[in-house]
Amino acid sequence: LAKTTQPISMDSYEGQEVNITCSHNNIATNDYITWYQQFPSQGPRFIIQGYKTKVTNEVASLFIPADRKSSTLSLPRVSLSDTAVYYCLVGDGPGSSNTGKLIFGQGTTLQVKP
Amino acid sequence: NAGVMQNPRHLVRRRGQEARLRCSPMKGHSHVYWYRQLPEEGLKFMVYLQKENIIDESGMPKERFSAEFPKEGPSILRIQQVVRGDSAAYFCASSPSRDRGYEQFFGPGTRLTVL
Repeated sequence: LAKTTQPISMDSYEGQEVNITCSHNNIATNDYITWYQQFPSQGPRFIIQGYKTKVTNEVASLFIPADRKSSTLSLPRVSLSDTAVYYCLVGDGPGSSNTGKLIFGQGTTLQVKP
Repeated sequence: NAGVMQNPRHLVRRRGQEARLRCSPMKGHSHVYWYRQLPEEGLKFMVYLQKENIIDESGMPKERFSAEFPKEGPSILRIQQVVRGDSAAYFCASSPSRDRGYEQFFGPGTRLTVL
C-alpha cells in the first residue's frame, strides 16, 4: 500500500473553496485513491474515490493528474459543518484481491471559520 | 435502513477486567472491520471478518484481543485483562462485499476507558 502525505492542518472561511492535496509517489497501477471525512467523536465517512482524471459527486470533487502521484480533494463553498479531519487513502480498489483493510494516515484537520 | 450500530457507546473498566464490544453491521453487509483510534492518533486497522471467519487479523495484538462474527448476532471484539493502554475509541465498519471494501460504513464507536 502506497504511503500518503497530506498537510497536517488547514484553515478556511465559510463560503470558500477548499483544496486538500495528497501526495502518493509510490502509487501502484492497481491502486485507487479514496477520501474519508471524520468529525470529532464520530466514525469516518466515505467521501469519494477515483482512479484517474476527475470524479465529482454531490459532496466533493477529486482531481487526479495523469501521473497519479498526487490527488486533490476539492470542497466547494465550505461551511462551519465541514470542520473535520480528512483522510487520503491509497490501495487496491474494486475487483482486486484486497481484503479491504483501510490504512489511515494522520489526515488533514480542516478548520472552517465564520 | 439503520446504519452500523455499536454498543455500548461508552465503557469503563478497571485494569484486569474484560471488555466486550459489540457491532451490528448494516443490513445486507457480511463484511466487518474493527479499527482502534488512540487519543490524538489516527485509526489503526485491527481485524477483518466475514460471517464465522477471520479473514485478516494482522492488526490485532497477539495477546488478550480476540474477535468473532458468528452466524447469528453481532460481531464481538473482546479484550481480556484490560490495561490503561487499551483506552481508546474502537470503531466497527461494514461493507456489502469484498469488492467494495474500500467504501466502508463506520459505526459511532465505543469509547473504552480503563481506570
